[in-house]
Amino acid sequence: QVQVQESGPGLVKPSETLSLTCTVSGGSISSYYWSWIRQSPGKGLEWIGSMWYTGGTKYNPSLKSRVTISVETSKSQFSLTLNNVSPADTAVYYCARNFRWGEWYFDLWGRGTLVTVSS
Amino acid sequence: DIVMTQSPDSLPVSLGERATINCKSSQTVLYSSTNDNYLAWYQQKPGQPPKLLLYWASSRESGVPDRFTGSGSGTDFTLTISSVQPDDVAVYYCQQYYNIPYTFGQGTRLEIK
Repeated sequence: QVQVQESGPGLVKPSETLSLTCTVSGGSISSYYWSWIRQSPGKGLEWIGSMWYTGGTKYNPSLKSRVTISVETSKSQFSLTLNNVSPADTAVYYCARNFRWGEWYFDLWGRGTLVTVSS
Repeated sequence: DIVMTQSPDSLPVSLGERATINCKSSQTVLYSSTNDNYLAWYQQKPGQPPKLLLYWASSRESGVPDRFTGSGSGTDFTLTISSVQPDDVAVYYCQQYYNIPYTFGQGTRLEIK
């Protein structure tokens, strides 16, 4: 069955760029829609943005100026880039699947990766 | 943004008893032309990602036990666990997917009394 797994650095310095990758296995990345969500003790669960295999995206307006989500279909991966991070961006970052267009709930989640922003 | 507010924050329940978790949205998540409520429920156990339980307010995800039931419409929704089992100890979240940004409730922690 389809699985997703996040990867990337666990520690990022303030003002630098957070970069994470989600690898999709057991199915085609082109068949579904994909999202990034984060979870921190202070802000709970927060939707970051979503993308589809053609490269289309939509973002949380509160993060839009700092976020890019992109896809590399040949590697069955999609990525999250968050610029100019601060300690407030410390969170567990999840990649997740949306099964169909318009059904923007998350039916499959990765295990998550903790990213700490600290000098 | 649509604000999702859950109540209570913590819910102690005896084994075999019914548990009821409420979720209120700051504006409607009912799309009137299709009569669909854009509301999902998740269960999260310690150290695990959230798990989808229900979508469209009341449609059960495959494999979810039928003791989990969702109800409500518009701005007021309820997740009911008919007979709480030890495996149900978790934090439960509601989420609206009616409008961007998609938003979650703050969570309700279910514990065994």
